Amino acid sequence: GQSLEQPSEVTAVEGAIVQINCTYQTSGFYGLSWYQQHDGGAPTFLSYNALDGLEETGRFSSFLSRSDSYGYLLLQELQMKDSASYFCAVRDWVDSSYKLIFGSGTRLLVRP
Amino acid sequence: EAGVVQSPRYKIIEKKQPVAFWCNPISGHNTLYWYLQNLGQGPELLIRYENEEAVDDSQLPKDRFSAERLKGVDSTLKIQPAELGDSAVYLCASSLGGTSGELFFGEGSRLTVL
Repeated sequence: GQSLEQPSEVTAVEGAIVQINCTYQTSGFYGLSWYQQHDGGAPTFLSYNALDGLEETGRFSSFLSRSDSYGYLLLQELQMKDSASYFCAVRDWVDSSYKLIFGSGTRLLVRP
Repeated sequence: EAGVVQSPRYKIIEKKQPVAFWCNPISGHNTLYWYLQNLGQGPELLIRYENEEAVDDSQLPKDRFSAERLKGVDSTLKIQPAELGDSAVYLCASSLGGTSGELFFGEGSRLTVL
């Protein structure tokens, strides 16, 4: 089966840097995605890593280590609007089909 | 460009009643997904379509849930009869397929079963 682990909650101060970790166990790993979801809103895509290393997109960066089955999302220069839930999701090859399997999410609270 | 559109946004029904949700994906997206999201949890896949074909419905409770995607565009998800445990947000998403892992989600239909 598949499993993903990420912290349930993280709190940080406006302007700071925060890292949200994700460890996974899958049978046919293809890549790791990150999504942001504000309360009552739609999940929105942030990043996708298929290869090891760091991908940077503005204030957000995402890292993947396939050998460690580990990735993280790094948010810099935190803003109040970054308060949301963040989900890691693995793209897995299961039963001759791709599946995108989500973790339970990390609720980020940014304080003034 | 319009995003994924879902309706209704909110639905309250009594248990054992039927309910249906509608989704219009982004134009040109051949892959459509229905996810279920419980409070404080991540989305869980119910069914995935490639054009008109349901290519993955292994997580769909087929005794009470059904879905269709006629003409490979809009899709409808139905629950009949609804149970208390079906209270959740039902999310529709679409993608171009491919390998990016990028899905575009609608804002969801929040179902409350009383």
